[in-house]
Amino acid sequence: NAGVTQTPKFRILKIGQSMTLQCTQDMNHNYMYWYRQDPGMGLKLIYYSVGAGITDKGEVPNGYNVSRSTTEDFPLRLELAAPSQTSVYFCASSDVRAYSNQPQHFGDGTRLSIL
Amino acid sequence: AQKITQTQPGMFVQEKEAVTLDCTYDTSDQSYGLFWYKQPSSGEMIFLIYQGSYDEQNATEGRYSLNFQKARKSANLVISASQLGDSAMYFCAMREGPRAAGNKLTFGGGTRVLVKP
Repeated sequence: NAGVTQTPKFRILKIGQSMTLQCTQDMNHNYMYWYRQDPGMGLKLIYYSVGAGITDKGEVPNGYNVSRSTTEDFPLRLELAAPSQTSVYFCASSDVRAYSNQPQHFGDGTRLSIL
Repeated sequence: AQKITQTQPGMFVQEKEAVTLDCTYDTSDQSYGLFWYKQPSSGEMIFLIYQGSYDEQNATEGRYSLNFQKARKSANLVISASQLGDSAMYFCAMREGPRAAGNKLTFGGGTRVLVKP
């Protein structure tokens, strides 16, 4: 019962490098999300998607890009890593029927450090 | 203005006692939902309980209950009979807007709970 799977779990980048954080879900959820969590803070929405081919910005999209070519996968791309992007990144998904009590299901997170 | 406010950055609670975690929210929508998540030190986000804006009864899930006061725009989490495993960060989150808007969540800053034996 995998749920939402994120890779890698940990990564250290140098300033200016790029990388892609992978996220895949096996629950056939239409909605997917990327959040970041800075130390001691709550989660902030970076990007979200309501279905394959459809993405939109959240609260803190600058410095990131996403794509959604399949229902299962929602990768997050950092093009020019900056120290301000040091954070824990969470991917989540939810059921399109979820207008009532269905929660978002979260992956275990990717801890990213930019040095 | 903050959409979700959790005013207690940290709390101690004695094992087996109850603890209330505060959450106030700000929205002009009539239809919205409130969620509580637990984040243990291992880092994963665990869903605890949900309250819909039209729900007439306060939500309950095992030892978790939600004290929902709509007029005051508060949705406080009550954990009864605290256990050592309840030590964690707790986040309140709100979903606003229609389903087509993506069911996005806005999170509060969290409350850290430490259960003492």
